[in-house]
Amino acid sequence: SQQGEEDPQALSIQEGENATMNCSYKTSINNLQWYRQNSGRGLVHLILIRSNEREKHSGRLRVTLDTSKKSSSLLITASRAADTASYFCATDSRNQGGKLIFGQGTELSVKP
Amino acid sequence: GAVVSQHPSWVICKSGTSVKIECRSLDFQATTMFWYRQFPKQSLMLMATSNEGSKATYEQGVEKDKFLINHASLTLSTLTVTSAHPEDSSFYICSASPGQYNSPLHFGNGTRLTVT
Repeated sequence: SQQGEEDPQALSIQEGENATMNCSYKTSINNLQWYRQNSGRGLVHLILIRSNEREKHSGRLRVTLDTSKKSSSLLITASRAADTASYFCATDSRNQGGKLIFGQGTELSVKP
Repeated sequence: GAVVSQHPSWVICKSGTSVKIECRSLDFQATTMFWYRQFPKQSLMLMATSNEGSKATYEQGVEKDKFLINHASLTLSTLTVTSAHPEDSSFYICSASPGQYNSPLHFGNGTRLTVT
């Protein structure tokens, strides 16, 4: 079962621009995580934001969390062609034993 | 960082045969492992949760007799696709948790299964 939705489903930008992806979910969570997946590969963990946190930064990545709206956003600043990948949010819901439920994902294409 | 090794990375098999996929946590003990399935251009769908020393918990709609999961040690879980059919062709990804609260999962690189 899918937890929620991500938008946009696909995003195409030029190098140097910022990319913003949004994620919505349905249940109460312990944390929300963002992952990156290159085509045909496994997932790479980007950021984990806890339910009591509102914003988190890691390098060019900025994640926000609004638990009242059950939504999160991932901002990639000064994008590079190497950022081209699919990005997924995933929620660790309470009382679910740590399993992650993934959103639909955003396919990001950064053109040089 | 924590490493999860998944093997094989790809496999082609004939209809009716069984395929085993291994997932190993290389530098940590994984009390829990998760198996996901991903169709092209789609998200990851959780298939089952594998707990060391106990039976796996399958998500709704996943046939436990079709997808056999064994988590015999704290570093190894296996997924066996039994009597594979072309519709089982997919990308299977495992992930492992060291069991710490509010910690990320570590993912293997996935197995591309093609059933002919």
